[in-house]
Amino acid sequence: DTEVTQTPKHLVMGMTNKKSLKCEQHMGHRAMYWYKQKAKKPPELMFVYSYEKLSINESVPSRFSPECPNSSLLNLHLHALQPEDSALYLCASSQWIGEKLFFGSGTQLSVL
Amino acid sequence: KNQVEQSPQSLIILEGKNCTLQCNYTVSPFSNLRWYKQDTGRGPVSLTIMTFSENTKSNGRYTATLDADTKQSSLHITASQLSDSASYICVVSAGGGATNKLIFGTGTLLAVQP
Repeated sequence: DTEVTQTPKHLVMGMTNKKSLKCEQHMGHRAMYWYKQKAKKPPELMFVYSYEKLSINESVPSRFSPECPNSSLLNLHLHALQPEDSALYLCASSQWIGEKLFFGSGTQLSVL
Repeated sequence: KNQVEQSPQSLIILEGKNCTLQCNYTVSPFSNLRWYKQDTGRGPVSLTIMTFSENTKSNGRYTATLDADTKQSSLHITASQLSDSASYICVVSAGGGATNKLIFGTGTLLAVQP
């Protein structure tokens, strides 16, 4: 199994809503990532987890809250988002930090 | 400052033609360079990895080159197909181990027309 599965594929939420994005991999990878991608731009790193511990937080606003319940799962909790947070949110995993990334298909998020 | 720049920003070619995408980097210390293909609305998929000692590597119709002296890489696509239409992203890995950092290029948007 070489897949990274993300749910939901699409999400529309209001600025007062609370929602969560989910990511799952069963490749035994010990590094997991959240990226944000705006249209026609490369992915921007948000968070990196290594061995289920938060390793990198790229100064992401607190309205985004990551969680790594176990080595296969990665969540991104969303609260009080702004319209400018609308983007494609990509989850990725790699065997260790810096190794080849395996990306999920992403969650297309629209904040109204 | 670690940077990865790609050119051209966008490219339109006819089906069956060849094309070459460029990636210039100023990253230190260099660990490796990967080319990713990203279809619209999907996550990027790795095409090739180039390490310091490698000059050329092929993956089907994709051939990547690396010149570590000039800090340039290219991705050559042969006999293009409509399914090659995508964004191609060059990603350079800096450092190693726990300090490893991935630097993403700006991407080249390729459109293959019939």
